Amino acid sequence: DQQVKQNSPSLSVQEGRISILNCDYTNSMFDYFLWYKKYPAEGPTFLISISSIKDKNEDGRFTVFLNKSAKHLSLHIVPSQPGDSAVYFCAASAGGTYKYIFGTGTRLKVLA
Amino acid sequence: KAGVTQTPRYLIKTRGQQVTLSCSPISGHRSVSWYQQTPGQGLQFLFEYFSETQRNKGNFPGRFSGRQFSNSRSEMNVSTLELGDSALYLCASSRDGITDTQYFGPGTRLTVL
Repeated sequence: DQQVKQNSPSLSVQEGRISILNCDYTNSMFDYFLWYKKYPAEGPTFLISISSIKDKNEDGRFTVFLNKSAKHLSLHIVPSQPGDSAVYFCAASAGGTYKYIFGTGTRLKVLA
Repeated sequence: KAGVTQTPRYLIKTRGQQVTLSCSPISGHRSVSWYQQTPGQGLQFLFEYFSETQRNKGNFPGRFSGRQFSNSRSEMNVSTLELGDSALYLCASSRDGITDTQYFGPGTRLTVL
């Protein structure tokens, strides 16, 4: 049972445009969400997080939106840069479980 | 502040052998989690340790085990290796593992022949 889903395995975007990566979850107990970027043969790098008490969090070019009623999370990257090309994972945690559930990832390619 | 370190970075073993991987968390972090990543899969949670206690465990067979030491360093062990155990094993640390950001190490690439 995949509790965290990233339904788009890949996404291509022109440099300078907005990249929107989506994530859906099924467990209403999740209260903390994170996005990671991963390059091949490296560990994931933390990008941005959001707790369930918020609906938006910004950090530079990265903004995460949380729609709790739809159980949907999205990451916006504006403007997209070629260096953003990587696999992006969303992850979710329910307080007290000490466990993070990851989606299967979306490969973003930013075209110069 | 130094990041999460994992040793070794690469490992080649044969079926039936056992392997031990090591993880040193960020200083001050007491929670350590382990994940397995295989091609086409997301990160699959193996287990989480805090203050030398395993608090949660994923759906992996008993061949996968771990432990944590008093200095928060952690090891995971896989016994009787199978071909399907070939994967990138990632360790992540956080302050307390409760609604907290995890920071990952570079991983150990295990190849089972």
